[in-house]
Amino acid sequence: QLQLQESGPRLVQPSETLSLTCTVSGGSIGYRNYYWGWIRQPPGKGLEWIGSISYGGNTYYNPSFKSRVTISVDPSKNQFSLRLKSVTAADTAVYYCARRKPYLYHFDYWGQGTRVTVSS
Amino acid sequence: DIQMTQSPSSLSASVGDRVTITCQASQDITNYLNWYQQKPGKAPKLLIFDASNLETGVPSRFSGSGSGTYFTFTISSLQPEDIGTYYCQQYDNLPMFTFGQGTKVEIK
Repeated sequence: QLQLQESGPRLVQPSETLSLTCTVSGGSIGYRNYYWGWIRQPPGKGLEWIGSISYGGNTYYNPSFKSRVTISVDPSKNQFSLRLKSVTAADTAVYYCARRKPYLYHFDYWGQGTRVTVSS
Repeated sequence: DIQMTQSPSSLSASVGDRVTITCQASQDITNYLNWYQQKPGKAPKLLIFDASNLETGVPSRFSGSGSGTYFTFTISSLQPEDIGTYYCQQYDNLPMFTFGQGTKVEIK
């Protein structure tokens, strides 16, 4: 059974960089050219897609974040990562990592989510 | 940008009731629409993909229909375990994925 687990600091200072890692277990991150994405949910609000990356390293970002976000993949560790720079309180959210199959455009496996608070 | 308008924002229904949620797109998105269920404190779970296809393992009381700009999601007989928030998600303008605002479903 595929599992995804987010990890990283729960508290980030304003103007600093938010860094999260998603560790994939129960399957290879490179298997069948899956895509791996980050979605977030501010407190009491809806879901917002941040971006995705393919096993080969092709990245796709929400234009709302494009100047601040970097997603990378480390196949040797079966992990992919999110970096969001210059954070503000508006970036406080639960951050989810998720998987998407190639040629299908839905997210079928999700991590449990990690809450990140931006505050001094 | 394609805007997704979900309604209602919340609803309360009795066990056994038929529940319908709608999602309207600001432009034609063919059948490029998925539905998710999110229980409190949990990650979203895929229920319906490509407007009307039931994800493996999802109970058959859940269904989806529609195309173009108007889509519906139905629970044929509401069960206590169905409480949560339901989201539509469009993928017509790849690589962007956009979610609706969500519909909170409660038991009356």
